[in-house]
Amino acid sequence: AQSVTQLDSQVPVFEEAPVELRCNYSSSVSVYLFWYVQYPNQGLQLLLKYLSGSTLVKGINGFEAEFNKSQTSFHLRKPSVHISDTAEYFCAVSDSGGSNYKLTFGKGTLLTVNP
Amino acid sequence: DAGVIQSPRHEVTEMGQEVTLRCKPISGHNSLFWYRQTMMRGLELLIYFNNNVPIDDSGMPEDRFSAKMPNASFSTLKIQPSEPRDSAVYFCASSLYGAGEGKLFFGSGTQLSVL
Repeated sequence: AQSVTQLDSQVPVFEEAPVELRCNYSSSVSVYLFWYVQYPNQGLQLLLKYLSGSTLVKGINGFEAEFNKSQTSFHLRKPSVHISDTAEYFCAVSDSGGSNYKLTFGKGTLLTVNP
Repeated sequence: DAGVIQSPRHEVTEMGQEVTLRCKPISGHNSLFWYRQTMMRGLELLIYFNNNVPIDDSGMPEDRFSAKMPNASFSTLKIQPSEPRDSAVYFCASSLYGAGEGKLFFGSGTQLSVL
């Protein structure tokens, strides 16, 4: 079984500042890792994913994340945020084997970008 | 494409009543998921269908919950009888070829309140 810990439930930042949203996972098997974003009153949208290969993955809207296997982390970063990035961000993990349909989500981090 | 369509957007009912939530997945997607989102437990997978067949219903909380997918373009999640602890946002998501690569498309959710 996997689990995901998002260390910060809320992250307030000012516009144009950099941001890092932290995610740690635990799993006994190889994993796939994902970040999803949820804007108010909407469903979740895939932001980026790590399946294999380069540990630095780039997603939509200027976000990127780095997979660190030794630290079991997959932190999300953006060098300069906009007001429109205000949303809830979810880290998720699935195993890379037969039951890879089962995404386990973290509790979410609410990113609030202030002017 | 209209995306994943869920109805109703909001449902308020009284304890003991039957509740039916509906989902139309994206045309051509062969995998469908029902998730429940609460503050306490976050996002939980309730059931996963592949090619209209339930593959994993281990997340369905109890016998009061049932889900069907009579064809590739429609699914229902029914709660009978409903209880206040069922209050949550219920999301339907669909994808092509399972969720192995994490590209789930979520609907906007149904906000269920059981009084």
